[in-house]
Amino acid sequence: QKEVEQNSGPLSVPEGAIASLNCTYSDRGSQSFFWYRQYSGKSPELIMFIYSNGDKEDGRFTAQLNKASQYVSLLIRDSQPSDSATYLCAVGISGGYNKLIFGAGTRLAVHP
Amino acid sequence: SQTIHQWPATLVQPVGSPLSLECTVEGTSNPNLYWYRQAAGRGLQLLFYSVGIGQISSEVPQNLSASRPQDRQFILSSKKLLLSDSGFYLCACSRGAAGELFFGEGSRLTVL
Repeated sequence: QKEVEQNSGPLSVPEGAIASLNCTYSDRGSQSFFWYRQYSGKSPELIMFIYSNGDKEDGRFTAQLNKASQYVSLLIRDSQPSDSATYLCAVGISGGYNKLIFGAGTRLAVHP
Repeated sequence: SQTIHQWPATLVQPVGSPLSLECTVEGTSNPNLYWYRQAAGRGLQLLFYSVGIGQISSEVPQNLSASRPQDRQFILSSKKLLLSDSGFYLCACSRGAAGELFFGEGSRLTVL
């Protein structure tokens, strides 16, 4: 059973702080990793993806990947109240067809 | 760019009644299409995926079925709904070299 694990939260951070969201996965053959944001009652929106070990930055967001540890993280710098949402980690299943397995998500609350 | 339309947006159905959810995609041809379900407080569960007309793969045994009668149309059906079928149903299309998924607005089903 291929799995993606996330801490459900809520993760509460003050406005302007760095929020750190973590994810582990079980499929060692996975090659693609995604972070989605989901506001309450809405569909998920892609934030960014990462393929290679190391860091990838996009604006206030940084994704970090460590394949040896099967660990993916998302850092949100200068957190804003509008960042309050559930963050879903998704992992591409080895074997093709772009199938993604999702974690249950971490709820982030940014308070003023 | 691709656009995914889903309908109906919301529906309330009695146990044992049939179901039909429809998804259409604009702005691309021969897309890979996916049906996911998100139960309350849970992650996204992949139900079906399709790589072409009439080609459906099921990920989870259940009383749901899917069909793809046209290249950009994907339908999720059930002959008799169960209480456990309640959830947020999301149609998705893969795009880009990364294989990231792009989601429609979703259909929220409540089975009573």
